[in-house]
Amino acid sequence: QSALTQPASVSGSPGQSITISCTGTSSDVGGYNYVSWYQQHPGKAPKLMIYEVSNRPSGVPDRFSGSKSGNTASLTISGLQAEDEADYYCSSYTSSSTVVFGGGTKLTVL
Amino acid sequence: QLQLQESGPGLVKPSETLSLTCTVSGGSISSSSYYWGWIRQPPGKGLEWIGSIYYSGSTYYNPSLKSRVTISVDTSKNQFSLKLSSVTAADTAVYYCARGGFDPWGQGTLVTVSS
Repeated sequence: QSALTQPASVSGSPGQSITISCTGTSSDVGGYNYVSWYQQHPGKAPKLMIYEVSNRPSGVPDRFSGSKSGNTASLTISGLQAEDEADYYCSSYTSSSTVVFGGGTKLTVL
Repeated sequence: QLQLQESGPGLVKPSETLSLTCTVSGGSISSSSYYWGWIRQPPGKGLEWIGSIYYSGSTYYNPSLKSRVTISVDTSKNQFSLKLSSVTAADTAVYYCARGGFDPWGQGTLVTVSS
């Protein structure tokens, strides 16, 4: 199975909004509403930020939102804060009953 | 609050079998309809799903690792385990266990493959 495609890096200034894309195929992202997003700070375990495309777990700020169109899912962070600087990964369930991750995106807050 | 903790050797020799256990606390591994999974992250690289197991024992593996991976569950100990055979340096990574898809995660454990 091929990894989902994410941009290697994105950046934004405090207060701005950024969007990270996650592109797959009709056998994963496009075929199921089981896309998740994870935030990982250096040396830490990943943290679930969005599940089932657009749902936020309890405790995750509403600045984080998710969406999907066709084979591409997106994570949007509005009102960017310094603490949002981290690596972000998407994942999707697949038609083979497996899970595939994206390659990760490094978010820099300028 | 559900917590997961990985345990096992931090150093494994090439060609040997890597064995890790994930201990679940704060909840029963069999009390709800969740899958339990293993994910790894080579140093400086991205996340890779290894496989998942249902409390009943049904397993699903990454096709690229399937021939070398075995995931099992021990409900009496509230644990699930990973075995990866015939390891090479390419299997050096931080190994994480996690519930479902995926939340929460264990803290991760670094496994180095070296003679």
